[in-house]
Amino acid sequence: GQNIDQPTEMTATEGAIVQINCTYQTSGFNGLFWYQQHAGEAPTFLSYNVLDGLEEKGRFSSFLSRSKGYSYLLLKELQMKDSASYLCAVADSNYQLIWGAGTKLIIKP
Amino acid sequence: DTAVSQTPKYLVTQMGNDKSIKCEQNLGHDTMYWYKQDSKKFLKIMFSYNNKELIINETVPNRFSPKSPDKAHLNLHINSLELGDSAVYFCASSPEWRETDTQYFGPGTRLTVL
Repeated sequence: GQNIDQPTEMTATEGAIVQINCTYQTSGFNGLFWYQQHAGEAPTFLSYNVLDGLEEKGRFSSFLSRSKGYSYLLLKELQMKDSASYLCAVADSNYQLIWGAGTKLIIKP
Repeated sequence: DTAVSQTPKYLVTQMGNDKSIKCEQNLGHDTMYWYKQDSKKFLKIMFSYNNKELIINETVPNRFSPKSPDKAHLNLHINSLELGDSAVYFCASSPEWRETDTQYFGPGTRLTVL
């Protein structure tokens, strides 16, 4: 079956760096997305990786290794507003998005 | 300015009732989706429409019926509501089908069935 795994919850300190991992097993691969979802709000797009390597976008970076079925989202200089759930999603061979359950990130002062 | 809008934002109703949730996108996208997010926060695709045609129809009860009058609208009608239907329902859109484009989500409709 198709599966996306990410940690349920992580805690980090304001100003620090945190890495949220995602491993996947899907039938086919057409890219991996990271979305941010604040409590009670809609998911919003953060990043998209389809080739191996690191994509940097401001304080957020996303890494992909297709051979390992692995991605991570790196958040630097953490701010309190980064407290949210981070959802990993993979587009399979039918271009259908398979979603992970999300990682709840708690930022402490 | 709203890209993807849904109404209502909150919906509280009794078991057995029939209700509809409306979704509209003003982004000119071809593809629209309905997702259900349950209490465990899993986002599950329910339906996807491309240019008013049904593309994805996951295993959902046939009490759920999507309707797309035009490519900017995708409404969700639910018959004979059950307790287990309580969840947040998100509408989303993306530019094209078969393109791994970003999906833009509506604000969600929190459905509570009593």
